[in-house]
Amino acid sequence: KNEVEQSPQNLTAQEGEFITINCSYSVGISALHWLQQHPGGGIVSLFMLSSGKKKHGRLIATINIQEKHSSLHITASHPRDSAVYICAVMYSGGGADGLTFGKGTHLIIQP
Amino acid sequence: DTEVTQTPKHLVMGMTNKKSLKCEQHMGHRAMYWYKQKAKKPPELMFVYSYEKLSINESVPSRFSPECPNSSLLNLHLHALQPEDSALYLCASSHLPGQVGTGRALYEQYFGPGTRLTVT
Repeated sequence: KNEVEQSPQNLTAQEGEFITINCSYSVGISALHWLQQHPGGGIVSLFMLSSGKKKHGRLIATINIQEKHSSLHITASHPRDSAVYICAVMYSGGGADGLTFGKGTHLIIQP
Repeated sequence: DTEVTQTPKHLVMGMTNKKSLKCEQHMGHRAMYWYKQKAKKPPELMFVYSYEKLSINESVPSRFSPECPNSSLLNLHLHALQPEDSALYLCASSHLPGQVGTGRALYEQYFGPGTRLTVT
């Protein structure tokens, strides 16, 4: 089965630090999602990427299609950023194939 | 309106009960998805509907029965569930290729808040 690998699995940092979460996948994709999930909560889509780089507030997502790799960066991290961040891909099937998810990165930002 | 709604938020049911989960969107999306998420695990795809027809069933047991009565609604009928079926059930929707010409809207999935199901 095609896999989505995320690293690190767990990350604890101090408020204000620059955070990077990485995602790699094995075969061609149509799109890659970065998702956020707070404990006990639903899922919020942060970014959907098919190429290049996107920025929203303190969040930046990049993707390198040739290397099959994406990163999510958080600048000036804050305790409210504490959540699970999940990378999910849609493979190049042409239709609605559903998403394949990474195992998530559990981020804790300490004040 | 960019919202996917799910009801109920929480559901507790016995193993002999029959219940239904409901999902609704009014974004004109013609693909709708059910995912199951166990505690501390990533979501897993269960079903995909494309143009109100079941297009993907990821070998889900027959005690889960999906239904898409129209382009805005998606149901998941539950019967004779087991305690190990307790999980967060997430609905999502998206456009389909051919629905829109280009752009990010083509594949972005919008998630509902989920129904937290406990089977006793």
